Amino acid sequence: RKEVEQDPGPFNVPEGATVAFNCTYSNSASQSFFWYRQDCRKEPKLLMSVYSSGNEDGRFTAQLNRASQYISLLIRDSKLSDSATYLCVVLFTGGGNKLTFGTGTQLKVEL
Amino acid sequence: NAGVTQTPKFQVLKTGQSMTLQCAQDMNHNSMYWYRQDPGMGLRLIYYSASEGTTDKGEVPNGYNVSRLNKREFSLRLESAAPSQTSVYFCASSEGGTPSPLHFGNGTRLTVT
Repeated sequence: RKEVEQDPGPFNVPEGATVAFNCTYSNSASQSFFWYRQDCRKEPKLLMSVYSSGNEDGRFTAQLNRASQYISLLIRDSKLSDSATYLCVVLFTGGGNKLTFGTGTQLKVEL
Repeated sequence: NAGVTQTPKFQVLKTGQSMTLQCAQDMNHNSMYWYRQDPGMGLRLIYYSASEGTTDKGEVPNGYNVSRLNKREFSLRLESAAPSQTSVYFCASSEGGTPSPLHFGNGTRLTVT
């Protein structure tokens, strides 16, 4: 089993739709969680950290479920500019900091 | 406001050739990293430097060496390139400490024939 798993997609949604991605992780001792965004042929950029109580940044909401070992990203009112690959990233600090990246979920927002 | 700068952007090597990928950051970050990204594999850590003067192996260090030249610069060297090293390479930096976000360079697309 991969340490961090994501549905690769692509998710094709119309502009204005709400879309959600899940990411599961295998190490129950993982401590920090992030969503990164990566545009085609570009570098990843931090979208948002994921806090235990859940957090929101504009149209984006991140949730953490430690019991089921998954994090989610909800995008409301999708824009064309949201089209990108979304990477789930998990930090495990036991025995040194280890950041593990998921392979990403591709989102395509269409007119 | 350069952030993390990587050179070159593209490179084609023949099997057995060597090259060095350069990376510099101007954010006074303590930690620097080299990742490779392959289709279906996600980003994998090659080497990292938690602070100036230290380097450590990551998940896939074989075939690579690194040098933390100073606080700003962290280079990645391929001594004898192999086709399996065809990939996109990203340098990243962070303030250090946990957790702190990674700032990535634009990437280097390397093809080894």
